[in-house]
Amino acid sequence: AQSVTQLDSQVPVFEEAPVELRCNYSSSVSVYLFWYVQYPNQGLQLLLKYLSGSTLVESINGFEAEFNKSQTSFHLRKPSVHISDTAEYFCAVTEDFGNEKLTFGTGTRLTIIP
Amino acid sequence: GAGVSQSPSNKVTEKGKDVELRCDPISGHTALYWYRQRLGQGLEFLIYFQGNSAPDKSGLPSDRFSAERTGESVSTLTIQRTQQEDSAVYLCASSRSKLAGVGETQYFGPGTRLLVL
Repeated sequence: AQSVTQLDSQVPVFEEAPVELRCNYSSSVSVYLFWYVQYPNQGLQLLLKYLSGSTLVESINGFEAEFNKSQTSFHLRKPSVHISDTAEYFCAVTEDFGNEKLTFGTGTRLTIIP
Repeated sequence: GAGVSQSPSNKVTEKGKDVELRCDPISGHTALYWYRQRLGQGLEFLIYFQGNSAPDKSGLPSDRFSAERTGESVSTLTIQRTQQEDSAVYLCASSRSKLAGVGETQYFGPGTRLLVL
């Protein structure tokens, strides 16, 4: 069975500072990896995903994540955060067969300090 | 076009009552998922519908939970004899068929916040 671990439940960061949100997964088969974001009072939306090919994937708002198979990680990074990045971030994994149900981590609440 | 919609947005009920939650997926999306998010926890998978295939009910926590979907349209999640531990946000997501490509993005609705007193 697959599982996802997000060790940091809360991450406070000063505006314009870099941030890394950690995600580790466990699975016995090939996986696809996702980061979803939930802004205050809004629904979950996809931030970025890794399916295959280049292990570094990017979002339109400056986040990037790198798939590391040997370390079973998919950490999310941004070199300079903005107030508008305040949100809860969820890492998720799905296996490449079956119904592609997502297994989520418990989420990391990113708070940007002005 | 319109996103995934869910109703009601909030529901307060008494222990032992039945509740019905509704999900309207994005038009053309053949796959539909229900998830639950309890306080302080990640989302947990409940049930999956794909077209006219038999649903995958492997995530339903008990036989008090059931869900239906007619074709590729609306889905309802029913919880019978609600318990306090059923209090959670229930999220619905839809996506294109897996046949359209692997790793299809799931689009989530705003959720229904259920509180069982």
